[in-house]
Amino acid sequence: GDSVTQMEGPVTLSEEAFLTINCTYTATGYPSLFWYVQYPGEGLQLLLKATKADDKGSNKGFEATYRKETTSFHLEKGSVQVSDSAVYFCALRTNFGNEKLTFGTGTRLTIIP
Amino acid sequence: DTEVTQTPKHLVMGMTNKKSLKCEQHMGHRAMYWYKQKAKKPPELMFVYSYEKLSINESVPSRFSPECPNSSLLNLHLHALQPEDSALYLCASSQVVALSYNEQFFGPGTRLTVL
Repeated sequence: GDSVTQMEGPVTLSEEAFLTINCTYTATGYPSLFWYVQYPGEGLQLLLKATKADDKGSNKGFEATYRKETTSFHLEKGSVQVSDSAVYFCALRTNFGNEKLTFGTGTRLTIIP
Repeated sequence: DTEVTQTPKHLVMGMTNKKSLKCEQHMGHRAMYWYKQKAKKPPELMFVYSYEKLSINESVPSRFSPECPNSSLLNLHLHALQPEDSALYLCASSQVVALSYNEQFFGPGTRLTVL
């Protein structure tokens, strides 16, 4: 079945550091890939998405590139801020009428000033 | 309007109570979802409604009863819950269900505590 493997957290970085959160996936067919962010006490917000190989999703300084050859969708940001502290979920959804989002386990990110 | 709203924000109930969670969206989405999220875990899918019909039930116990009265509203009726049902309950919606690239929009959730 479909699965998403995410980098184990928690991750703690200093402000303005470079961020990478690794995400790899296993899926049948051609999935769409998503990064969701959950701030403390809130629901999930879509951060970015990519729907086909070599697509790059970007938003709020975050980027991720859909790499079919390595089945990866790593999240990166060049300079993190304290306000980026949150839990980040990588997720996929396949075609074939499958309504399910398959989530990774989540990575808790803490940015210290 | 790109928002999914959920009420109440917090709910405390006893094991013999009956309560309901409410979710609303006005984005014209025809798929709506209930998820359960335990602390430090990803959301787990419970139910999917497609065009107001239940299309997926992920083997959820019958003490959880979903209802979709119209395309904008989704309810989750709760009865005889157990303390282990305490969690954050998230509602989500999306456009046409069968297209994988349609992202799901999540509400802020209802924090449920069962005593």
